[in-house]
Amino acid sequence: AQSVSQHNHHVILSEAASLELGCNYSYGGTVNLFWYVQYPGQHLQLLLKYFSGDPLVKGIKGFEAEFIKSKFSFNLRKPSVQWSDTAEYFCAVNEGGRRALTFGSGTRLQVQP
Amino acid sequence: KAGVTQTPRYLIKTRGQQVTLSCSPISGHRSVSWYQQTPGQGLQFLFEYFSETQRNKGNFPGRFSGRQFSNSRSEMNVSTLELGDSALYLCASGTSGGDTGELFFGEGSRLTVL
Repeated sequence: AQSVSQHNHHVILSEAASLELGCNYSYGGTVNLFWYVQYPGQHLQLLLKYFSGDPLVKGIKGFEAEFIKSKFSFNLRKPSVQWSDTAEYFCAVNEGGRRALTFGSGTRLQVQP
Repeated sequence: KAGVTQTPRYLIKTRGQQVTLSCSPISGHRSVSWYQQTPGQGLQFLFEYFSETQRNKGNFPGRFSGRQFSNSRSEMNVSTLELGDSALYLCASGTSGGDTGELFFGEGSRLTVL
């Protein structure tokens, strides 16, 4: 069974700092990759997704992620975080075409003003 | 466009009871998935329905079941509740495309089992 690892459980940054959250998955076949975000008191929403093509994908609110197949990684980045980015971030993977997401354990990001 | 609606938002049950949770997907979405979120296990896939048929199933015991109606609304049922079933149950809807597309999540139903 596939698994997803998010190595950072809790990250604290100051505003304007750069962000990189790690995500590694175990499945060796074709995968679709996602980052979801859950702001305090809100539901999960999609930040960005990768299905195929350019391995550098851009999402909402200035976030981007790079798919590195050889490293089974899909790290999330943002050059300059804002206080409003405080949230929990989840990496998720599914086997190509199978609508069943495997989520990582999540990373809680706290941005201090 | 209304989002994914889940009812009830909160409920308390006792061990041995059963519970039914409801999910109304976004209009036009025919796929409905259910996930369980707990502090210890995180987000885990339960099952997915499309056009009233269960298309994918996670690794949960048979006490967890679901169904989808012709209007795409879905229900999940948990029988013989255990303390460990206390969790936030999330419903997500999506389009019927060949790839997974984007899943739109509801706010969840928080179940507490005493």
